[in-house]
Amino acid sequence: EIVLTQSPATLSLSPGERATLSCRASQSVSSYLAWYQQKPGQAPRLLIYDASNRATGIPARFSGSGSGTDFTLTISSLEPEDFAVYYCQQRSNSFTFGPGTKVDIK
Amino acid sequence: QVQLQESGPGLVKPSETLSLTCAVSGYSISSGYYWGWIRQPPGKGLEWIGSIYHSGSTYYNPSLKSRVTISVDTSKNQFSLKLSSVTAADTAVYYCARLSSSGCFDYWGQGTLVTVSS
Repeated sequence: EIVLTQSPATLSLSPGERATLSCRASQSVSSYLAWYQQKPGQAPRLLIYDASNRATGIPARFSGSGSGTDFTLTISSLEPEDFAVYYCQQRSNSFTFGPGTKVDIK
Repeated sequence: QVQLQESGPGLVKPSETLSLTCAVSGYSISSGYYWGWIRQPPGKGLEWIGSIYHSGSTYYNPSLKSRVTISVDTSKNQFSLKLSSVTAADTAVYYCARLSSSGCFDYWGQGTLVTVSS
């Protein structure tokens, strides 16, 4: 099983700041990595697929990069609605999710 | 707009079988895509349970495979999950979702909480 590790567990930032979230895979997943945003009481929402492609309707402030084992989700300037938990997910070998990074208001 | 809606009992007794259905609207399951189930224990992360194609082809999370059955009913445009021999560890919000051609889950249901308790 491919294990995904996300860091940091919690990121405390202010609106307008840049957020950089990391996802590391236990073995290469090529570019088969997606990112999701989840708010309390809601289902996850797809943000990024295949490491760097924004899903339909996702604002340009969200960007993804990386390949192999190291990936990054960047939110260029945090909006109030961006404070949430973010998960990465690989589909290289079955499907697994990372444990999540919580972005909260500083 | 693709919409998914989970339904089923919110309380299941230990050792019994959990059964949920996902009704799909805005898209015909017969037209393609895999469809799947994902769960999330309270306060924890996401776990993929398994997926099914409209033809009935399935694949499951190896850690749950012995207890999981996913089926599809194209006439009702819905698919279902059965998880047998449940324990408290199976208490979770269960989501159904569409698996895109890029291997990510692009449409999700709102989720339904299933509690395993006597």
